[in-house]
Amino acid sequence: DQQVKQNSPSLSVQEGRISILNCDYTNSMFDYFLWYKKYPAEGPTFLISISSIKDKNEDGRFTVFLNKSAKHLSLHIVPSQPGDSAVYFCAASAGSGGSNYKLTFGKGTLLTVNP
Amino acid sequence: DGGITQSPKYLFRKEGQNVTLSCEQNLNHDAMYWYRQDPGQGLRLIYYSQIVNDFQKGDIAEGYSVSREKKESFPLTVTSAQKNPTAFYLCASSLRLYGYTFGSGTRLTVV
Repeated sequence: DQQVKQNSPSLSVQEGRISILNCDYTNSMFDYFLWYKKYPAEGPTFLISISSIKDKNEDGRFTVFLNKSAKHLSLHIVPSQPGDSAVYFCAASAGSGGSNYKLTFGKGTLLTVNP
Repeated sequence: DGGITQSPKYLFRKEGQNVTLSCEQNLNHDAMYWYRQDPGQGLRLIYYSQIVNDFQKGDIAEGYSVSREKKESFPLTVTSAQKNPTAFYLCASSLRLYGYTFGSGTRLTVV
């Protein structure tokens, strides 16, 4: 049973426009959410995170929105750049205030930003 | 320069053979993890360890074994019991959630 779902395997946007990547989760115990970016044949790199006590977190061109009632989060990239082309993974964890650091990942969304 | 190192980058295994993937970190992180990536499957947790000499099974532990004798090292053995071992393997470490650092991965292929 997939607890973290990224229903769009791929997304294509034009350079300069907004990219919106979506993620849904089913486990109501999840209270910390992260986005990772991954290039082929490399390890994922941390992008941005959000705690369940917030509904928005911003870092430069990247903003993550969390809707707890809908169990939905989204990553907005504005403006999109060709270098943003990568696979984006949504991840979630339960018990962020304690010792449980185990992350559950979605299947990823391949973002392609066209020049 | 702190980081997490996986070796080798590419590994070929014959049918029925055990192979060991290396993962070393000098970040002084307590927790270490092994994930497997398959096309269209995302990252699935194989094993994780939060302290030395202790480790827990993840979601797909069958056919794999690990050890955590030192804080810096968390090797993964892919045994002959793993029926479909061809995949991209990722090791990670963390001090806290936002300190989740990944290695560059090992591509294992069965020949």
